[in-house]
Amino acid sequence: DAGITQSPRHKVTETGTPVTLRCHQTENHRYMYWYRQDPGHGLRLIHYSYGVKDTDKGEVSDGYSVSRSKTEDFLLTLESATSSQTSVYFCAISESETGYTGELFFGEGSRLTVL
Amino acid sequence: AQSVSQHNHHVILSEAASLELGCNYSYGGTVNLFWYVQYPGQHLQLLLKYFSGDPLVKGIKGFEAEFIKSKFSFNLRKPSVQWSDTAEYFCAVNPTGGFKTIFGAGTRLFVKA
Repeated sequence: DAGITQSPRHKVTETGTPVTLRCHQTENHRYMYWYRQDPGHGLRLIHYSYGVKDTDKGEVSDGYSVSRSKTEDFLLTLESATSSQTSVYFCAISESETGYTGELFFGEGSRLTVL
Repeated sequence: AQSVSQHNHHVILSEAASLELGCNYSYGGTVNLFWYVQYPGQHLQLLLKYFSGDPLVKGIKGFEAEFIKSKFSFNLRKPSVQWSDTAEYFCAVNPTGGFKTIFGAGTRLFVKA
């Protein structure tokens, strides 16, 4: 168990409202990721973090921002949610301490519906 | 751009049939390779991984995968599937030295009892 908790697990919101998803880990791993999963697209990387206050964009970062003010928490924010952001969002961590290997451990997912 | 292609989006097999799922990637350098499985309603779990060495790697639940560098492929195999293998399977690639893992679109496998 990689000790990853995502919250909320389910959320329904309206277009234009801000939404924040939280990923919390208990083991102080360096690398954290946010992916979205959509049918036919697999998992697509939104943003990732390689340390406190060190973040970078993934392939589908438009409309999303992230923050990592402490090791254990990685927040994903939708400033103004749109229907195209209806998806299942997965947080993932890498347990490697010697450098990123690509091996990921995933949280349970957060299902977001934007009406 | 780097990409991962999974050839089959949906596969239906009967129990005891053999399975092979194709995966190709477009990256010319050294890579780490993965197969993940997602059972219905669950999150992704690692099935197997390849970093270096023997190109035939064995994972959990009887799965194996073969890395063929010349073909940029990392196909997943299982000699005899079970109903409990019904799931979605994702191939993933990490270009060595980078911070990103890139996933394919996934293959949904349905095994008939």
